[in-house]
Amino acid sequence: GAGVSQSPSNKVTEKGKDVELRCDPISGHTALYWYRQSLGQGLEFLIYFQGNSAPDKSGLPSDRFSAERTGGSVSTLTIQRTQQEDSAVYLCASSELQGAMTEAFFGQGTRLTVV
Amino acid sequence: QKEVEQDPGPLSVPEGAIVSLNCTYSNSAFQYFMWYRQYSRKGPELLMYTYSSGNKEDGRFTAQVDKSSKYISLFIRDSQPSDSATYLCAMSSDYKLSFGAGTTVTVRA
Repeated sequence: GAGVSQSPSNKVTEKGKDVELRCDPISGHTALYWYRQSLGQGLEFLIYFQGNSAPDKSGLPSDRFSAERTGGSVSTLTIQRTQQEDSAVYLCASSELQGAMTEAFFGQGTRLTVV
Repeated sequence: QKEVEQDPGPLSVPEGAIVSLNCTYSNSAFQYFMWYRQYSRKGPELLMYTYSSGNKEDGRFTAQVDKSSKYISLFIRDSQPSDSATYLCAMSSDYKLSFGAGTTVTVRA
């Protein structure tokens, strides 16, 4: 595709349910990043993938959060037993080269609301 | 204390005015200094970046970095209603971006 694609655009879920957020990076981009943007907050780093490996998971807020990437392409961020504080916009970005943040492109985000 | 602090705003200016946006940071390891623009319900879009102290111009936009003071600015000249958005400063030393909280700018026609 032309850009980073995220789905769904919006997700409303009940507290305690699990959710999966999907990111389709730009074709050929080996590096993929997940960020979270809470209301009134800047973007917060969650996890970074190089290929299918995640060298840095340090930003994941708790063990309820996990992410995987398959085939060096699509990535899924899973949140188990969602809590109200998980409500935020989850943004994915990709870049052709590792760490080339000046060449990274963001998707439009998934707006998650936990009720 | 956060690594990156951004003047919170919001800012409302008349069309044609100069918009000034500012951030401070605490991490001396930051090498790249970036400004993103984010329209409502969209992802951030990179506007400009620089890696050295001084000024960098791109059309109506000027990015300024002062590493000695750990201070960066973005100036928008001849602002247009289409410039109305949230502006985020961001900095990195590797693959991880540290963002300011953003400043929402409204340019009134």
